[in-house]
Amino acid sequence: DTAVSQTPKYLVTQMGNDKSIKCEQNLGHDTMYWYKQDSKKFLKIMFSYNNKELIINETVPNRFSPKSPDKAHLNLHINSLELGDSAVYFCASSQGGLAGLYEQYFGPGTRLTVT
Amino acid sequence: KNEVEQSPQNLTAQEGEFITINCSYSVGISALHWLQQHPGGGIVSLFMLSSGKKKHGRLIATINIQEKHSSLHITASHPRDSAVYICAAVSNSGYALNFGKGTSLLVT
Repeated sequence: DTAVSQTPKYLVTQMGNDKSIKCEQNLGHDTMYWYKQDSKKFLKIMFSYNNKELIINETVPNRFSPKSPDKAHLNLHINSLELGDSAVYFCASSQGGLAGLYEQYFGPGTRLTVT
Repeated sequence: KNEVEQSPQNLTAQEGEFITINCSYSVGISALHWLQQHPGGGIVSLFMLSSGKKKHGRLIATINIQEKHSSLHITASHPRDSAVYICAAVSNSGYALNFGKGTSLLVT
């Protein structure tokens, strides 16, 4: 019974396309996150949502739009994909609203390749 | 912005060795996370600590908030410990997370 799940696991698409990555958690957590891991394996937080409300929005292009239909889901929609968007995107969740003060549970990641 | 440095960048050890990975940061923080990323890509949270020491099995994490330094120790290392270990410093607000670049550990 997967705690944090993401779909798809792999996504290959062309520049200019719009795509979405879905994330669901069944842990009953209040807060969900999106992270980007670049080709050098460097992790960076993109967004944090607490009870469907945006808490953190790091300097991410506005082509990236998170959408939280309910507390258990946080989807990531990307418009006009660029080569530099190629990365692994991780979803995570935790109890509480402060990103750093609670243990986070990570999804398996979605490897996005833009050609 | 909090600069988070990890050392060493790469580490190879023989099975059974005691391993230490270091993490230092440039500005005051409220807490620090240690994460493990397996070769398959999955990420697991190992510790979140704001003072002192925590132990889980063969893993020990320590932090000295004043000295802006944390260490992750692995006792009696095993090939299954081979992974990338990442530290993340939490800002005083509790909202911002700044990640180190990771330490790649290979135990043979």
